[in-house]
Amino acid sequence: EIVLTQSPDTLSLSPGERATLSCRASQSVRSNFLAWYQQKPGQAPRLLISGASSRATGIPDRFSGSGSGTDFTLTISRLEPEDFAVYYCQQYGSSLTFGQGTRLEIK
Amino acid sequence: EVQLVESGGGVVRPGGSLRLSCAASGFTFDDYGMNWVRQAPGKGLEWVSGINWNGGSTGYADSVKGRFTISRDNAKNSLYLQMNSLRADDTAFYHCAKSTVTYSYYYMDVWGKGTTVTVSS
Repeated sequence: EIVLTQSPDTLSLSPGERATLSCRASQSVRSNFLAWYQQKPGQAPRLLISGASSRATGIPDRFSGSGSGTDFTLTISRLEPEDFAVYYCQQYGSSLTFGQGTRLEIK
Repeated sequence: EVQLVESGGGVVRPGGSLRLSCAASGFTFDDYGMNWVRQAPGKGLEWVSGINWNGGSTGYADSVKGRFTISRDNAKNSLYLQMNSLRADDTAFYHCAKSTVTYSYYYMDVWGKGTTVTVSS
């Protein structure tokens, strides 16, 4: 099983700042099959990124994904108030596993 | 509108059973694989089970293998999860989620709001 480790567990930033979230896999993720989701309290997860770097329909371009192999990054270029949430990475190259999540909170 | 609505959650004693349902609408249900993903209180997401477009291929997390059974009825646009021998650590919010391809082991673009399962004596 591929284990995904996200860092940091919690990230405290202010609106307007840049957020960089990391997701590291225990082994190489086949074909960079890595997705990112956003989840707000009481809501279902929302797909942001697939294939490590492809934005889902309707996702603002301030969200971007990068990386390959075992190291992946979600970047939010300029934080808006609605971006404060929990973010999960998920690999689908070998079965399905999720990272433990990164909580992005307002500083 | 593309929508997934779960039902069937509740409170059950350890060792008991529950059957979750997920009603799909707004898309061609039998074109896609489907998954169940759970979230324990205050915890992260855990994939539970997946099924391909025609039900011919299924997969389970080790934590539920042998106790849970996933199925689908394409005529009714519905996904199911039969949960037997429930344990306290099965307590969670259960979401159904749509794959973007015919098989389940892929990313998921539509999620239901979920149904709560509580296993307690």
